[in-house]
Amino acid sequence: GAGVSQTPSNKVTEKGKYVELRCDPISGHTALYWYRQSLGQGPEFLIYFQGTGAADDSGLPNDRFFAVRPEGSVSTLKIQRTERGDSAVYLCASSRDSNQPQHFGDGTRLSIL
Amino acid sequence: AQSVTQPDIHITVSEGASLELRCNYSYGATPYLFWYVQSPGQGLQLLLKYFSGDTLVQGIKGFEAEFKRSQSSFNLRKPSVHWSDAAEYFCAVGAVTSNQFYFGTGTSLTVIP
Repeated sequence: GAGVSQTPSNKVTEKGKYVELRCDPISGHTALYWYRQSLGQGPEFLIYFQGTGAADDSGLPNDRFFAVRPEGSVSTLKIQRTERGDSAVYLCASSRDSNQPQHFGDGTRLSIL
Repeated sequence: AQSVTQPDIHITVSEGASLELRCNYSYGATPYLFWYVQSPGQGLQLLLKYFSGDTLVQGIKGFEAEFKRSQSSFNLRKPSVHWSDAAEYFCAVGAVTSNQFYFGTGTSLTVIP
């Protein structure tokens, strides 16, 4: 497709489980971002990739959160030992290069029971 | 510290009326400024951006915004609102020296017939 694709669109799991959220950016976009959006809030920066490397992971809340982008395209956000406070919409965005306008996917709504 | 303030949590306007959504930012570097719109269950769509040059920028769907450095503001305007404009609007700031984007908490727009 032409836009940023995120799967799954919804994920419900139990506290303590491991989850993976996938992002397929726009073809040719070298920059990829993950955000977390809680109810009634704006997106909160988590991590930024330029190519395959995590150029800035300062927004990851703790070491339970990890993200990879092994081939410089698809990225996976991984959350270990999930907690109820992790419930949110996780948004992925890509851009042609850093500091260019970001194009967002529709997000993955994560619910931790 | 970098921050974006959207003072109005919720705004209601009549269809055909004019609209102004406020955005104030605090940023140490020269800012890049953006407005995004988010419909329920969807990701964010870029309305317009300011990088440099003319401080009045035109965007999609008939929106415009004006950058006022002296007031640290980037207010969004539309002369005549349509019912389809009902959505959540987010102001965001970034900079050439940073890969992080900071979003405001959003303004929810309701359009009444």
